[in-house]
Amino acid sequence: DAGVTQSPTHLIKTRGQQVTLRCSPKSGHDTVSWYQQALGQGPQFIFQYYEEEERQRGNFPDRFSGHQFPNYSSELNVNALLLGDSALYLCASSSVGLGTQYFGPGTRLLVL
Amino acid sequence: AQSVTQLGSHVSVSEGALVLLRCNYSSSVPPYLFWYVQYPNQGLQLLLKYTSAATLVKGINGFEAEFKKSETSFHLTKPSAHMSDAAEYFCAVISNYGQNFVFGPGTRLSVLP
Repeated sequence: DAGVTQSPTHLIKTRGQQVTLRCSPKSGHDTVSWYQQALGQGPQFIFQYYEEEERQRGNFPDRFSGHQFPNYSSELNVNALLLGDSALYLCASSSVGLGTQYFGPGTRLLVL
Repeated sequence: AQSVTQLGSHVSVSEGALVLLRCNYSSSVPPYLFWYVQYPNQGLQLLLKYTSAATLVKGINGFEAEFKKSETSFHLTKPSAHMSDAAEYFCAVISNYGQNFVFGPGTRLSVLP
């Protein structure tokens, strides 16, 4: 049973560029959440997708957007990258009505 | 709104010694509480969770945590530390299933030989 997978594992971009990160949830899960983890800090909630809609959103600007596909996989898009967007981006999946979230290995984004 | 504090950003213990990592939460409703571990350059792995059943929760790798409502705490313990326990530990809280997790800032555990 595959767990949560994310791609790519690492990414280097320059300021002003756009990036797309991808996540495939654990088998049987229908909800995907995205978190940003800056170096030395705990993960911060970006948003959550269920039934292809954004259900909750944390305190992140509109430059951060997402999408969920019919097969429950998800994308995180970040436009107009800033140096401060450099972080580990974590995807977590869960089943609606159940609290436990299972995390992928993350995508490490470096913005130069 | 929920919040989590973890006392001690860095804890060092000797191999074989007791591990105690502290977590205090703030929640207006009975919470669900979680401990996750993160090894270098990896994602988060679930250690254990409290979901309003038994207040003493046992997890993987010999870890356990006790929910104390009166102290709003959910401290993580392990009787005997192993070198392989060296990692970053995060406490997290949600108020309802389906809600987003609120994580603490983390505690880095070092295990000395």
